[in-house]
Amino acid sequence: KNQVEQSPQSLIILEGKNCTLQCNYTVSPFSNLRWYKQDTGRGPVSLTIMTFSENTKSNGRYTATLDADTKQSSLHITASQLSDSASYICVVSSRGGAGNMLTFGGGTRLMVKP
Amino acid sequence: ETGVTQTPRHLVMGMTNKKSLKCEQHLGHNAMYWYKQSAKKPLELMFVYNFKEQTENNSVPSRFSPECPNSSHLFLHLHTLQPEDSALYLCASSQGLSGGSSYEQYFGPGTRLTVT
Repeated sequence: KNQVEQSPQSLIILEGKNCTLQCNYTVSPFSNLRWYKQDTGRGPVSLTIMTFSENTKSNGRYTATLDADTKQSSLHITASQLSDSASYICVVSSRGGAGNMLTFGGGTRLMVKP
Repeated sequence: ETGVTQTPRHLVMGMTNKKSLKCEQHLGHNAMYWYKQSAKKPLELMFVYNFKEQTENNSVPSRFSPECPNSSHLFLHLHTLQPEDSALYLCASSQGLSGGSSYEQYFGPGTRLTVT
């Protein structure tokens, strides 16, 4: 069964600090992995999308890494800001066949405090 | 947020009511999706439409009835819901089917549904 596990479930950090969110998956066959940011009361917004051959991808202060061998990904946030407070969702896409094969993680809820 | 819009943003309905959620995308996409997001649970895919045709129904109870009259509009008709159906319902669209591809999904703001 395809699964995506995220850790921690929640995290509180001080403004200006860095943090790393984890995503482990057992999805096969793998197509790509996406990180989304979801502000409270809003829909998710894409941060990065990584394919099998990509190890690192950055989007401003967000840097995602992917280890396809160990089936792990991380999202590193540098110099956190209050606006980074949100849920971060890892989504893994399966390759092949018809239809929509996306497996969603449960998300990490991040709170950045002043 | 103007790419994918959803109405209403909030809805409270009784278990015997009939209501509809509306989603509209202004991105020229061909695929549209309904998701359910309950507290402390992962996003659950409900329905997928591609070029107005339903391509996926993830064992959703028949009290949820989708309708896709064209590639820009998607409805979710609700009737005789249960309190456990209370959740955030998200609509999304993509140029092509996202599963197994790099097509990005763009989400609407969601409809917060409360069933009393």
